Amino acid sequence: GDSVTQMEGPVTLSEEAFLTINCTYTATGYPSLFWYVQYPGEGLQLLLKATKADDKGSNKGFEATYRKETTSFHLEKGSVQVSDSAVYFCALSGETSGSRLTFGEGTQLTVNP
Amino acid sequence: GAVVSQHPSRVICKSGTSVKIECRSLDFQATTMFWYRQFPKKSLMLMATSNEGSKATYEQGVEKDKFLINHASLTLSTLTVTSAHPEDSSFYICSASLQGPNYGYTFGSGTRLTVV
Repeated sequence: GDSVTQMEGPVTLSEEAFLTINCTYTATGYPSLFWYVQYPGEGLQLLLKATKADDKGSNKGFEATYRKETTSFHLEKGSVQVSDSAVYFCALSGETSGSRLTFGEGTQLTVNP
Repeated sequence: GAVVSQHPSRVICKSGTSVKIECRSLDFQATTMFWYRQFPKKSLMLMATSNEGSKATYEQGVEKDKFLINHASLTLSTLTVTSAHPEDSSFYICSASLQGPNYGYTFGSGTRLTVV
């Protein structure tokens, strides 16, 4: 079945540091890939997505590129801020309309001033 | 656009009582809704998938008689935790799938259930 393996946390960085959170996946066909962010006590917010190979999703300074050859969708940001502190989830959905999302385990990011 | 409104955000109930959680799609029609449960510092665990007008499909190990899901309209899905017990205390989140150019999933803000 489909699966997502995400970099273990927690990750602690200083403000303005470079961020990478690794995500690899196993799926049949051509899944869509997502990064979601969850702030304490809240639901999930879509950060970015990519629906086909070589697509780059970007939002709020975050980027991730859909790499089919390495089955990866690593999240990056060049300069993190304290407000980026949250839990980040990598996820994929299958090709079928209405398919469920398969989540990674989540990575807790803490950014210190 | 594509907002899912989830209520209540927090609820405390006594053991043995039932609690209903509502998720409404405000500006789109949610054909498919997903219900998740999240334990502290853990990922989301899919409980069930509901399609409007059909019975929900429950994941293995989820008691369908305990977690009643109703998706009677394209804008409303409800999860009722029946005869709640302290072990049902958790964070519950709904999500709707989006089709077309906005393909993806939008999530409710979650409900923190505490059973005392």
